[in-house]
Amino acid sequence: AQSVTQLGSHVSVSEGALVLLRCNYSSSVPPYLFWYVQYPNQGLQLLLKYTTGATLVKGINGFEAEFKKSETSFHLTKPSAHMSDAAEYFCAVSGGSNYKLTFGKGTLLTVNP
Amino acid sequence: DADVTQTPRNRITKTGKRIMLECSQTKGHDRMYWYRQDPGLGLRLIYYSFDVKDINKGEISDGYSVSRQAQAKFSLSLESAIPNQTALYFCATSRSDRGIYNEQFFGPGTRLTVL
Repeated sequence: AQSVTQLGSHVSVSEGALVLLRCNYSSSVPPYLFWYVQYPNQGLQLLLKYTTGATLVKGINGFEAEFKKSETSFHLTKPSAHMSDAAEYFCAVSGGSNYKLTFGKGTLLTVNP
Repeated sequence: DADVTQTPRNRITKTGKRIMLECSQTKGHDRMYWYRQDPGLGLRLIYYSFDVKDINKGEISDGYSVSRQAQAKFSLSLESAIPNQTALYFCATSRSDRGIYNEQFFGPGTRLTVL
């Protein structure tokens, strides 16, 4: 069984500030972890993924995430928020069953000028 | 670009009507999925298909049915729509040779309103 918890359904930051979106997972097997972004009126787009190897993963648009097995976390960060980062972000986990991608409930990021 | 498309993008219907949402992909992927998204609930899997003859129920299949007409086409039907099926519906695809990595690619979504 696997599950994802995203802490904070809504995060608000100022333009230029650090973005930190939290994701904790539960998985009975080694997990594969994903962050997706959903811009208004669009589908989900992959930001980054962790499969194996380096635990610090870099994605598109300056985002990165670090896989911490001891903390069962995969938090998403960006050093400096931009207005265009305003969107909903979903963390997801896959592993074990070879089809299921389990999503968190999402975090809406608002960027204030 | 290879893509995942959904039709219609928006649909308003009445309780009791039969509705079909369609998904087509040009990515050459063999696996296809239908999700619904509700505010505060994230995405929940309705049905998934590994190939044309392999269709499986997801978490919330009651009230829905699907048809995999070809590798590239996967349709979702609501036999008798009810208001709590009002949601945003997404189709997604993935490649089986990626195994458990299972990176999925999403269509733009269909916003369905049942009055």
